[in-house]
Amino acid sequence: QKEVEQNSGPLSVPEGAIASLNCTYSDRGSQSFFWYRQYSGKSPELIMFIYSNGDKEDGRFTAQLNKASQYVSLLIRDSQPSDSATYLCAVPRFIGFGNEKLTFGTGTRLTIIP
Amino acid sequence: EPEVTQTPSHQVTQMGQEVILRCVPISNHLYFYWYRQILGQKVEFLVSFYNNEISEKSEIFDDQFSVERPDGSNFTLKIRSTKLEDSAMYFCASSESGRTGNTIYFGEGSWLTVV
Repeated sequence: QKEVEQNSGPLSVPEGAIASLNCTYSDRGSQSFFWYRQYSGKSPELIMFIYSNGDKEDGRFTAQLNKASQYVSLLIRDSQPSDSATYLCAVPRFIGFGNEKLTFGTGTRLTIIP
Repeated sequence: EPEVTQTPSHQVTQMGQEVILRCVPISNHLYFYWYRQILGQKVEFLVSFYNNEISEKSEIFDDQFSVERPDGSNFTLKIRSTKLEDSAMYFCASSESGRTGNTIYFGEGSWLTVV
């Protein structure tokens, strides 16, 4: 089983609608989760970080975490064409010296249709 | 906003040649990383660096790879003898601390094409 799994998409959503992106992870010990946005040919850009079960909202973005189901999702409300990108789920893993490395999923390509 | 800067943005090199990718992490950051992304694939961890030594490396980071912090600002990735499969986008990243939730900032990347 892959450590971090995402549907590759593409996921097409009409402008103004809610986009829902999903991620599952295999390590039950994982405590925190990141969502990054990556435009084509660009670097990952952090959108959200969540470590508690439940919802975390930041503007149009809501991250949802369910540790019992090993599932984390990202909702984008009022989707805009500028939200068209690949969304990466990432799980940090402690590697010593107070340090962590990120394990990324393959990403879900989201297209917002005007 | 402070940012991680990388040079070059794109480099084409012949197989077998040495390549050095350069990075300037954010000035007060203590943890430095290299990740890579082969076209169409996921972002993969290569190596982390703290207190002037490697703290963790992946199985990708074999003997042909090395990292160095030659002075107080630069952080470099050297590939000694490039192979075709080294063609990828290489991202440098840094963070202020290694604690959970601490943001890892990525540079814009260096595209490496090995021909």
